[in-house]
Amino acid sequence: AQRVTQPEKLLSVFKGAPVELKCNYSYSGSPELFWYVQYSRQRLQLLLRHISRESIKGFTADLNKGETSFHLKKPFAQEEDSAMYYCALMVGNNDMRFGAGTRLTVKP
Amino acid sequence: DVKVTQSSRYLVKRTGEKVFLECVQDMDHENMFWYRQDPGLGLRLIYFSYDVKMKEKGDIPEGYSVSREKKERFSLILESASTNQTSMYLCASRVLGVSYNEQFFGPGTRLTVL
Repeated sequence: AQRVTQPEKLLSVFKGAPVELKCNYSYSGSPELFWYVQYSRQRLQLLLRHISRESIKGFTADLNKGETSFHLKKPFAQEEDSAMYYCALMVGNNDMRFGAGTRLTVKP
Repeated sequence: DVKVTQSSRYLVKRTGEKVFLECVQDMDHENMFWYRQDPGLGLRLIYFSYDVKMKEKGDIPEGYSVSREKKERFSLILESASTNQTSMYLCASRVLGVSYNEQFFGPGTRLTVL
């Protein structure tokens, strides 16, 4: 079954510390993975997608097919990174499966 | 900028009422989606539509129906609202194509069923 697992519901780090939000997936095909972010009182928006191999707001995510993971990383967290983060897996051409989300809090 | 709008930010209804949630997008996207967002459960797909008058069930379609009569509008209908349908409802749209799989989300409708 296609599934996305984010094992941490809550994650708290201090400003300037590295942060890693974990995401594991289960999919028999070639995965297309995304990270979406929802800041307080804002709508859910795309942060980055693995196919673009981009770094957005200092965040990167590498697809590891051997470990079926797509962890989101940032070397130095900022207070404005505090938000809800969702990992998502594209299934087929139409369906997107989201994980349960991780709420990141960056403390001053 | 893609704009996805939802008819209400907050809605309070009574058990048994028929509820309509409307979503409109202005970028001529073929695909549209309805999710519910619950703490600890993330986003769960209720229904999606890949074109006008087309619809597919998602993971949790029970108690819901949808309508897509025009490309820009995708409606979610709760035929007889129940308290377990109290949730945040998110609409999204997406342009068709391998390179364009980003989903654009509306602001959400927080529905409370009493």
